[in-house]
Amino acid sequence: DAGVTQSPTHLIKTRGQQVTLRCSPISGHKSVSWYQQVLGQGPQFIFQYYEKEERGRGNFPDRFSARQFPNYSSELNVNALLLGDSALYLCASSLVDRGTTEAFFGQGTRLTVV
Amino acid sequence: GENVEQHPSTLSVQEGDSAVIKCTYSDSASNYFPWYKQELGKGPQLIIDIRSNVGEKKDQRIAVTLNKTAKHFSLHITETQPEDSAVYFCAASRMNRDDKIIFGKGTRLHILP
Repeated sequence: DAGVTQSPTHLIKTRGQQVTLRCSPISGHKSVSWYQQVLGQGPQFIFQYYEKEERGRGNFPDRFSARQFPNYSSELNVNALLLGDSALYLCASSLVDRGTTEAFFGQGTRLTVV
Repeated sequence: GENVEQHPSTLSVQEGDSAVIKCTYSDSASNYFPWYKQELGKGPQLIIDIRSNVGEKKDQRIAVTLNKTAKHFSLHITETQPEDSAVYFCAASRMNRDDKIIFGKGTRLHILP
């Protein structure tokens, strides 16, 4: 079975540009979460989507947005990129059924803003 | 606010010895505590987790303990092997549909030959 897949794996953007990152969850998983991992730090929660609705939002500016599609895949959009947005962006999927919240992470998208 | 503190930030142990990583959390409502291992260029991988109604859990060479009163939880790795070298993250979460995972800053574990 395929795990969580993210695309692209690496991306270089210029300050002020916009970027879209994509995530496909494990088959059957309806919840997708996005995390930002700055070098040397733990992942920080950005968004959670469940059944196509936003269920949680972390402390990130409005430049960050996301959505979930009917097939449960998800996109993360970041507008007006800043140098500080350079990070590994991780997507996690979970079953969210009967109280379980085991999250399975993809390999991430490495975003570099220059 | 919600916070998870993790110590130490770096840990070097001789192959075959044990490694211990300790964490504390601030949110009293946290009831799910996963541990992740992250290797270079990869996403975090769940290695073990513990729920708040359990004080200890073991899986082969890995064990976790939880003290809810003190808001402490720990990871113990016994008989360490070279492949255990990685960054380990503790985390805390509320186990419901709206939860989010709060991660510690990570411990870089070096297994010395």
